[in-house]
Amino acid sequence: GQQVMQIPQYQHVQEGEDFTTYCNSSTTLSNIQWYKQRPGGHPVFLIQLVKSGEVKKQKRLTFQFGEAKKNSSLHITATQTTDVGTYFCAGHANAGNNRKLIWGLGTSLAVNP
Amino acid sequence: EPEVTQTPSHQVTQMGQEVILRCVPISNHLYFYWYRQILGQKVEFLVSFYNNEISEKSEIFDDQFSVERPDGSNFTLKIRSTKLEDSAMYFCASTGQGGTGELFFGEGSRLTVL
Repeated sequence: GQQVMQIPQYQHVQEGEDFTTYCNSSTTLSNIQWYKQRPGGHPVFLIQLVKSGEVKKQKRLTFQFGEAKKNSSLHITATQTTDVGTYFCAGHANAGNNRKLIWGLGTSLAVNP
Repeated sequence: EPEVTQTPSHQVTQMGQEVILRCVPISNHLYFYWYRQILGQKVEFLVSFYNNEISEKSEIFDDQFSVERPDGSNFTLKIRSTKLEDSAMYFCASTGQGGTGELFFGEGSRLTVL
């Protein structure tokens, strides 16, 4: 079946270091979404990418969608303790039931002050 | 800002008991979802609901689970006979935009089965 792999599973950084999480889909996606879940909280939508090769920025966060629309990345520059949480990617399939959102397993980010 | 609300925030129940988790999605949304998350693990899709019927369900969503939209505002998840392994956080979510846009999640209902 369709899968979205996300790596790494965990990342521990010093405050000020950069962080990147990667998502790879087994099939072409129509879009990809990123969510952040703080410890004890619920997933909160960050962004949606739709176009092949798209790059979007939100302050220190940079999101990319691959040319083949099968992979994506989230890069955080100069991490802060407020960035702590689990980052999930989730994509809609490009065919068939394209309302089904396929989730990655998430990357948990810990930031040492 | 509109939000998805869920009740109860925490429910403790005995194994074999029935549980109903309630959600009020954002009022103009048409697509509703239940997800669950066992502590520290991934977000698992349970079921999606559109136009008063289930549009998709996962293999987790077996005969013990059911969903209902009884009154046009509430969206409920019922677990008929709870098992220990049903202990998890259950998140309700909704979206508009043809069902492929941003998901708005509620704060979750933590279910503990003893």
